[in-house]
Amino acid sequence: GQSLEQPSEVTAVEGAIVQINCTYQTSGFYGLSWYQQHDGGAPTFLSYNALDGLEETGRFSSFLSRSDSYGYLLLQELQMKDSASYFCAVEQDSNYQLIWGAGTKLIIKP
Amino acid sequence: ETGVTQTPRHLVMGMTNKKSLKCEQHLGHNAMYWYKQSAKKPLELMFVYSLEERVENNSVPSRFSPECPNSSHLFLHLHTLQPEDSALYLCASSQDPLAGGRGELFFGEGSRLTVL
Repeated sequence: GQSLEQPSEVTAVEGAIVQINCTYQTSGFYGLSWYQQHDGGAPTFLSYNALDGLEETGRFSSFLSRSDSYGYLLLQELQMKDSASYFCAVEQDSNYQLIWGAGTKLIIKP
Repeated sequence: ETGVTQTPRHLVMGMTNKKSLKCEQHLGHNAMYWYKQSAKKPLELMFVYSLEERVENNSVPSRFSPECPNSSHLFLHLHTLQPEDSALYLCASSQDPLAGGRGELFFGEGSRLTVL
């Protein structure tokens, strides 16, 4: 079957750095996306990796290793507003199906 | 208005009711999606419309019936639902991924459905 694995919950301290991992097993692969969702809010797009390596956007970075079927989201200088759920999703070749992980709840403590 | 707007935000219905969820996007996108979100589970794709034509239907029970009258509006008609259908229903839009619009979905805030 096709699946994405990510931790269900991660706890970190304000100002610290946290990494949320995602491993995938899918029949096709075109790219890996990350989304953030605050409680009661809409999922919002954070990043997209189609090629191996690190993509940086401000305090957030995303990494992909296609050979390892693995990616991660790195959040630096954590702020309380970063408390949310983070979802990874694999975009498969030539179709509309995104395969989603179950989400990682990030809890940030002062 | 900008973005993707869903109404109603909350809906409580009995198993014999008929109701509809509405989604409107103001982003000029040509693909629209319905997703089901249940706690601690991956998002489940229900339906996809591209240029007002249904292109995906992921074995969704017939008690859910989508409608896409134009590229800006999407409806999900609900009839004879079951308690296990209680969930957050998310609408999203994007540029058509088969036309190069890869990587980014824009979501609405969802309609929280409770079936009694």
